[in-house]
This record gives sequence, C-alpha cells and structure tokens, in this order.
Amino acid sequence: GAVVSQHPSRVICKSGTSVKIECRSLDFQATTMFWYRQFPKQSLMLMATSNEGSKATYEQGVEKDKFLINHASLTLSTLTVTSAHPEDSSFYICSANRDMNTEAFFGQGTRLTVV
Amino acid sequence: QKEVEQDPGPLSVPEGAIVSLNCTYSNSAFQYFMWYRQYSRKGPELLMYTYSSGNKEDGRFTAQVDKSSKYISLFIRDSQPSDSATYLCAGLMDSSYKLIFGSGTRLLVRP
Repeated sequence: GAVVSQHPSRVICKSGTSVKIECRSLDFQATTMFWYRQFPKQSLMLMATSNEGSKATYEQGVEKDKFLINHASLTLSTLTVTSAHPEDSSFYICSANRDMNTEAFFGQGTRLTVV
Repeated sequence: QKEVEQDPGPLSVPEGAIVSLNCTYSNSAFQYFMWYRQYSRKGPELLMYTYSSGNKEDGRFTAQVDKSSKYISLFIRDSQPSDSATYLCAGLMDSSYKLIFGSGTRLLVRP
C-alpha cells in the first residue's frame, strides 16, 4: 500500500515555542491531505483539509492562526503549532488520498508534549 | 448528536471468539464506510471499506452496512490476541473525502 510518512514521531517543546510537523506521501502525489488530532482514548478529530497550492480549510472551532498549515508541494504538507501551550499536547496524525481515491493512508502520528 | 456513534468499550473476548463491533451514523451524505484498526500510539490502518448496503468479506473480517437503519458492523472471526487494538469506524463523504470517525472501540483478545 501507499506510504505516508510523518515526522517527528515524538516531540517535547517548551510552552510558548512553535513546533512544525511534516507529512509526506512517499510514493504518490497527494493534492489533498488531512490533519487530525487525537486525545488519549478518544477518536480522531478532523482539524483541517490541506490543499496543495491554496489555503487550508479549517473545521469549526480550530484556530487557523494557531495551527498553520502549508501544502507547498504535491508530496508535503506541514502543520505548525504556534505558541504552543500544555493544552495543545496531543497526538497529531495526517492522512492523504492517492489520486482522489477514497482510501486514506495515514501517517504514524506525532505525539506532541508541551511542558 | 455526533455524526458517528461507537461504543468505546473496552470489549474483552477469549481467543477464537467471534467479535462484533458496531456503529451508528446520522449523516445521510456518507457514501463510504470504513473500518480502521489502530494500535497504541500508531496511525490508523484501513481494514475494509464498503460503499453500498450489504456484506463485504476479507479473510476473517466481514463488514456490513445497513443504510436503512444507518448501522454499520465489523465481524472478526477466530479472533487472535494480535487483533487487540482500537477499531474505528468512519463515514466518508465522496465529494470532500473527509473522514468522520466514531470514538473507537478498544478490543482485547485474551490468549
């Protein structure tokens, strides 16, 4: 199956700093990628849809100025958590659909801990 | 009301048992229904997806969709300890490719 790589897998940062998470489709081009957030023992909550070459579409309640998304190429989307606070600590996961196929391939996730 | 409802469990069964995992949904715009398996601290992996009502079988796994009652199920036959994971159902809207997930059911298969 297709591979989506997410980096880093784990990051610890100080409160007030910014953290960038990368999501790459390794063997296919993805015009659309999705970013999710998952709290412990809870489901994945869609944060935003990342569109190559255009602005991301954010879900209701997600602060676009806090969670900056850039989709500069067909194989890379980045999520930057700006001015991170402890409540931003969570598991962030990206996904990509190949050729607008219905099957979404997920990255391995990034565990962010803000101290 | 959540768009996709799923009992969080945990569900504990002995090895070899038949497991039934269920979800209900409220959004009639869903075109596809997916089942994902997620091991602890990993990203979800797709198990199966279905488009229309009816059954779809793949090895020990059977996915069932009943659009009239907005009910989806995943059956696991001859369950193994390696099946222990969280199982997430999701609905997908064809136009946007957005996945809306249920809360996930934690399954534990005891040796």
